[in-house]
Amino acid sequence: QSALTQPASVSGSPGQSITISCTGTSSDIGSYNYVSWYQHHPGKAPQLVIYDVSQRPSGVSNRFSASKSGNTASLTISGLQAEDEADYYCSSYTITSSILFGGGTKLTVL
Amino acid sequence: EVHLLESGGRLVQPGGSLRLSCVASGFTFSNFAMSWVRQAPSKGLDWVAAVSASAVTRYYSDSVRGRFTISRDNSKNTVFLEMNSLRAEDTALYYCAKVRSSSPFGSGDFWGQGTLVTVAS
Repeated sequence: QSALTQPASVSGSPGQSITISCTGTSSDIGSYNYVSWYQHHPGKAPQLVIYDVSQRPSGVSNRFSASKSGNTASLTISGLQAEDEADYYCSSYTITSSILFGGGTKLTVL
Repeated sequence: EVHLLESGGRLVQPGGSLRLSCVASGFTFSNFAMSWVRQAPSKGLDWVAAVSASAVTRYYSDSVRGRFTISRDNSKNTVFLEMNSLRAEDTALYYCAKVRSSSPFGSGDFWGQGTLVTVAS
């Protein structure tokens, strides 16, 4: 299976909003509401920021929101802050009873 | 506080074997599925395997099925990854992750710091 498709990089200025897309197929994102998003600062453990398409874990800022339409999921970060600069990964449950990750998106806060 | 500590990573020759361990604390281990996710150098995250809370069901990525085995010992709060027939492409930082649910396919809500596996001659 090929990885879910994410843009390699996105950028934004502090205070702005950015959206990261994650495109899959009808065998994964399109068929299941088990999309997750992770924030990963290099050298640290990945952190879950969204689960089940749009749910925020306890302790995650409400500046993080997400949605899904068809085979594409999206993560939006509003009110960008310097600490948001990190790699972001989406993942989805698939029809073959596995988990598929996206290739990752590097977020740069200008 | 949830804590996951991986160990067992090292340099191993192609075709060799390795056993990774992950000791968990801070939650009721037997209630949650566990998974392994890896990250090759300068690459993205790659799901490897997951085991249900009861250890009854186990799932693997196509790239490791038949070579890797995930298991758990709920009496010791530990999940294992037995790796055989290792290849250069298995070189990666291996993360242990607690899954949000008892099912193996929930999101990983807590992750360890990882243990490095290098496959080279």
